[in-house]
Amino acid sequence: DSGVTQTPKHLITATGQRVTLRCSPRSGDLSVYWYQQSLDQGLQFLIHYYNGEERAKGNILERFSAQQFPDLHSELNLSSLELGDSALYFCASSVMETQYFGPGTRLLVL
Amino acid sequence: EDKVVQSPLSLVVHEGDTVTLNCSYEVTNFRSLLWYKQEKKAPTFLFMLTSSGIEKKSGRLSSILDKKELFSILNITATQTGDSAIYLCAVVRDSYGQNFVFGPGTRLSVLP
Repeated sequence: DSGVTQTPKHLITATGQRVTLRCSPRSGDLSVYWYQQSLDQGLQFLIHYYNGEERAKGNILERFSAQQFPDLHSELNLSSLELGDSALYFCASSVMETQYFGPGTRLLVL
Repeated sequence: EDKVVQSPLSLVVHEGDTVTLNCSYEVTNFRSLLWYKQEKKAPTFLFMLTSSGIEKKSGRLSSILDKKELFSILNITATQTGDSAIYLCAVVRDSYGQNFVFGPGTRLSVLP
């Protein structure tokens, strides 16, 4: 157990819908990262937040957005969902060099 | 375009063998290189490398970075079946935050 929690574990929804994925970092970790992992594209970095501030963006679509709240938990919002958004979404938190990944949310868009 | 290449993509060995996994990169504004191990769940962080020529070790695993030739290797000695996993290499680009480019991974299978 990494100490990073993600909810929900599984999510099934329809195209065009909007979902929110939640991540709670390890106690004391200020950085939160979001990743998408699909079979055809491997692991893709989406976005990095540090202490509530967006620090870096990777391959994040405009339909996706994220935020980190004062209590340091983070949410990833996915809207106008498409079939291709079906994937495993990980968040990770870090302090210093080491990253700790959560168990992931498996999203299935039908 | 930034890219990270890993080789081999797949590798099958027997317990006790030593393996070397390769990661080469072409990334602007390199900051650091990371190795992860992913089994049937979330990736587990292994190493972060920032300086050339300095080996990082953890038990039977070790890794080194060559910033001149733009590559890193991950060595696993005396492999065990529990080492079977996908090993991911990622390069962090120097930006205000941490911006990652991942390689496709090497799938390692260790047979008893």
